Amino acid sequence: EVQLLESGGGLVQPGGSLRLSCAASGFPFSNYAMTWVRQAPGKGLEWVSTIRGRTGETHYADSVKGRFTISRDNSNSTVSLQMNSLRAEDTAVYYCTNPYLYPAAYWGLGALVTVSS
Amino acid sequence: DIVLTQSPLSLPVTPGEPASISCRSSQSLLQSNGYNYLDWYVQKPGQSPQLLIYWASHRASGVPDRFSGSGSGTDFSLKITRVEAEDVGVYYCMQTVQTALTFGGGTKVEIK
Repeated sequence: EVQLLESGGGLVQPGGSLRLSCAASGFPFSNYAMTWVRQAPGKGLEWVSTIRGRTGETHYADSVKGRFTISRDNSNSTVSLQMNSLRAEDTAVYYCTNPYLYPAAYWGLGALVTVSS
Repeated sequence: DIVLTQSPLSLPVTPGEPASISCRSSQSLLQSNGYNYLDWYVQKPGQSPQLLIYWASHRASGVPDRFSGSGSGTDFSLKITRVEAEDVGVYYCMQTVQTALTFGGGTKVEIK
């Protein structure tokens, strides 16, 4: 059974940092790109970042480029999102996802990040 | 980035009646392999998004056959033949032709 479990969410002040982690199981982790998608309160879904499987090539949304860093540890089947210089507009539920395991796609339950003073 | 435009924004439906949602892309999602890289998701209240349709017309695992997807290139639709109460939620289209995934704005399906 595929599982994605996020951790590390919480309340942080503007300008602060937070690190999200996602533990994956149930599929050959190193073969797949992993993605973070966020959803601000009452809003739609927004792609944040993707990291390729074996190459580790990274991609970022313009809204987070230069502030967020995605990484992965294939030996432990984990993907992380280091978030620096956080802003109020980064407040959202952050989902870890592998949307490419067709005929299925897997999303974690989400980690709430609140940026507020 | 590819822009996906969904309509309608809100869709009140009567149980047992059909429903249809449109998704229009700013660029073609048809690839040389013949597949359209367009997925449909539903996000039920308090839950994570769930895949309904992938590659525009393929039903995901465990999805009831009352859900179907169609379209090619830039115009796509999701149809529910007979809406049930459990189908309430927000429906999103998502393109996967680019690494930078983009989503439609969402269509809220609610029961009349």
